[in-house]
Amino acid sequence: GQNIDQPTEMTATEGAIVQINCTYQTSGFNGLFWYQQHAGEAPTFLSYNVLDGLEEKGRFSSFLSRSKGYSYLLLKELQMKDSASYLCAVRDPGTGFQKLVFGTGTRLLVSP
Amino acid sequence: GAGVSQSPRYKVAKRGQDVALRCDPISGHVSLFWYQQALGQGPEFLTYFQNEAQLDKSGLPSDRFFAERPEGSVSTLKIQRTQQEDSAVYLCASSLGQGGGNTIYFGEGSWLTVV
Repeated sequence: GQNIDQPTEMTATEGAIVQINCTYQTSGFNGLFWYQQHAGEAPTFLSYNVLDGLEEKGRFSSFLSRSKGYSYLLLKELQMKDSASYLCAVRDPGTGFQKLVFGTGTRLLVSP
Repeated sequence: GAGVSQSPRYKVAKRGQDVALRCDPISGHVSLFWYQQALGQGPEFLTYFQNEAQLDKSGLPSDRFFAERPEGSVSTLKIQRTQQEDSAVYLCASSLGQGGGNTIYFGEGSWLTVV
């Protein structure tokens, strides 16, 4: 099976930078996803990494190291609206890499 | 439609009642997934369809759970004889293709409370 680990909760201040880590153990790898989920809403896609390195998309960046089974999501210039849960997920090799297996999510609270 | 649409958004069921949750995926999306999400947890996989074929139902927690997608578009998740432990958000998701970087888009979920 797959094991995905991420911190349960983080706090940060408006305007700051925060890094949310995710470690995973999987028998095969076909990409890692980050989703944002506001309370009571659908998870929304943020990023996809399949090769090592940093992918930058505006204020959000995602990094992957396949050899270390490690990823992080970097949020810059934090805004109050960034308060949400951030979900790390990998494709499950057991089903031909179709379904996503999620971590428990990291709840980020941004304060003024 | 523009996104994945689910109905009802909220459902309160008495224990023992049957419920049916509907999902309208994004038009043309081949893959459809059902997930269950408990409060404060990440989504847990229930089942997966490729067009009308149910290719993986390994996550369905019991034989009280049944899903179908008869024409390869709309899907229904049915829960028979609901129990309190079934209370959760049921998320439907779809993607255009299979695997790899194909983005999986989620609906807002059906919030089920069993009393």
